[in-house]
Amino acid sequence: EAGVAQSPRYKIIEKRQSVAFWCNPISGHATLYWYQQILGQGPKLLIQFQNNGVVDDSQLPKDRFSAERLKGVDSTLKIQPAKLEDSAVYLCASSRPLGHWDTEAFFGQGTRLTVV
Amino acid sequence: KQEVTQIPAALSVPEGENLVLNCSFTDSAIYNLQWFRQDPGKGLTSLLLIQSSQREQTSGRLNASLDKSSGRSTLYIAASQPGDSATYLCAVSRASGTYKYIFGTGTRLKVLA
Repeated sequence: EAGVAQSPRYKIIEKRQSVAFWCNPISGHATLYWYQQILGQGPKLLIQFQNNGVVDDSQLPKDRFSAERLKGVDSTLKIQPAKLEDSAVYLCASSRPLGHWDTEAFFGQGTRLTVV
Repeated sequence: KQEVTQIPAALSVPEGENLVLNCSFTDSAIYNLQWFRQDPGKGLTSLLLIQSSQREQTSGRLNASLDKSSGRSTLYIAASQPGDSATYLCAVSRASGTYKYIFGTGTRLKVLA
């Protein structure tokens, strides 16, 4: 079974530029998560999708961050414009549908973003 | 609001020791608890998932226990090896609603050869 795929692995941009990350979840996983992990901290949920609908985006800075999951499969996360404090690892995860008895989450390798 | 705490923040042990990592959470109404391993610069690898109705799960040298009523979980690693060096994270999901995972800040483990 293929895992969660993310790209790119690394990205360096200047502040005020825009950047986009891509995620392909495990086949059949209806739930997709984007997490932000700042160095030395645990991951923080940014947005959660069930199929192509948003379930929770309460911690997404909506003035600069946006995400979509067209057709309920792949997802993109965008930052525009980027700030220095956005430097972090962005992790994508997927799991079986909400309410399923087994909602074990599987994570991708992450995208390390450095804003200079 | 659910808060997850992991103690200790860092741990250094000689090879071969048995060790315990602790995770506590403030809201006992959880759906499940998952332990992860994270190597430097890498994503998270799932180690063990404990459903709220379970008390423990085992995989090889790893054993995780869950006491919902006291808001605690422990990850026991037997006969530690240098390859176990990593950051260990626990995460809990809510019992209803969005089931989102809330993470602790992790325990950085270093096993010395």
